[in-house]
Amino acid sequence: EDKVVQSPLSLVVHEGDTVTLNCSYEVTNFRSLLWYKQEKKAPTFLFMLTSSGIEKKSGRLSSILDKKELFSILNITATQTGDSAIYLCAVEPSNSGYALNFGKGTSLLVTP
Amino acid sequence: NAGVTQTPKFQVLKTGQSMTLQCAQDMNHNSMYWYRQDPGMGLRLIYYSASEGTTDKGEVPNGYNVSRLNKREFSLRLESAAPSQTSVYFCASSEPGNHWGYGYTFGSGTRLTVV
Repeated sequence: EDKVVQSPLSLVVHEGDTVTLNCSYEVTNFRSLLWYKQEKKAPTFLFMLTSSGIEKKSGRLSSILDKKELFSILNITATQTGDSAIYLCAVEPSNSGYALNFGKGTSLLVTP
Repeated sequence: NAGVTQTPKFQVLKTGQSMTLQCAQDMNHNSMYWYRQDPGMGLRLIYYSASEGTTDKGEVPNGYNVSRLNKREFSLRLESAAPSQTSVYFCASSEPGNHWGYGYTFGSGTRLTVV
């Protein structure tokens, strides 16, 4: 059975801290891994990772994939209160039309 | 450009009542999905439709039925609501192809409470 496991499940940090969120997976026919941010509404897309070792970066957020060890990390540097959200990891199997397989998410709270 | 539209946004049901959650997309996507989200549980797949005319069970299908009415619309029905079905429901759509997960589009969600 396909599994996507995120850790930690929740995290509280102070503004300015750097955080690392983890996502490991066991998925047959892996094609890509996606990260989403969710703030009390629908998830919004952050990154899609398909190749090992290539960092994707957007402002203070970055992510990398290790296909050999079957995990990905999402880094957020210089955190701000606006980064408070649930961060979801999802894996895309290669079967077209199959659904994204989501982890349980990491709930991040950034305090002033 | 509406994307994925879900109705209603909020609903309160009594145990045993039935209702249908509606979802429509205007992006000409072939695949559509229903997820539920409970605190600390991420998004769990209820049913999906890879293309018009097909539907398949996901991880948590019990207590639900779906209808892919046409290419645009995919409805989720609760025949006899139970308190365990209190959740936020998300509809999504995508287009099968190369890295279809990239184009996953979510509706704004339906918050359902069963009392």
